[in-house]
Amino acid sequence: DAKTTQPPSMDCAEGRAANLPCNHSTISGNEYVYWYRQIHSQGPQYIIHGLKNNETNEMASLIITEDRKSSTLILPHATLRDTAVYYCIVRAGLGGGTSYGKLTFGQGTILTVHP
Amino acid sequence: GAGVSQSPSNKVTEKGKDVELRCDPISGHTALYWYRQSLGQGLEFLIYFQGNSAPDKSGLPSDRFSAERTGGSVSTLTIQRTQQEDSAVYLCASSPRFGNEQFFGPGTRLTVL
Repeated sequence: DAKTTQPPSMDCAEGRAANLPCNHSTISGNEYVYWYRQIHSQGPQYIIHGLKNNETNEMASLIITEDRKSSTLILPHATLRDTAVYYCIVRAGLGGGTSYGKLTFGQGTILTVHP
Repeated sequence: GAGVSQSPSNKVTEKGKDVELRCDPISGHTALYWYRQSLGQGLEFLIYFQGNSAPDKSGLPSDRFSAERTGGSVSTLTIQRTQQEDSAVYLCASSPRFGNEQFFGPGTRLTVL
């Protein structure tokens, strides 16, 4: 079972910031928060990941609360091409044994960016 | 560079037939994963290969499903005696040994009639 909870859908206006929340209240110390997205009819695409510090890359920013029980993915200037299903995933770190490799996907958030 | 490739892109088969799905990972990636996505469902982990270690088969739904990875590169997912509930998109991903990002292929859409 997925260890994360996300809203089923969200809307965002083009050019505005999209803030996608995720709850992971049972996350353990060596587990990371990963975000992937899946555009219609394509394979999932990695976006960003973090452990406890906030992270930023060319695609997005990841804000993780101090208690690590929730996080927010921020797309600073959403475009129509950002319309996709966004998955928040908790994944074991390298010391996580056989559970390290696999990703456990939940239902994700359908983000619709409209003009 | 070349990404993960999968073949065929679409496969239609009759119930009871065996099918083989192929995955070519990114060159040099030691980890390879299979997932499937049924209509309206999320992605479900099936199996994970890492180098020469024993694969993690914990996600295979039944003994009709098996996978091999020859020479640490190409992988084949085999489904024997296919059932209609096996209809799904089968996705393959690869990553470097200690890589954080899994790179996904375009998937094979399997339809069992």
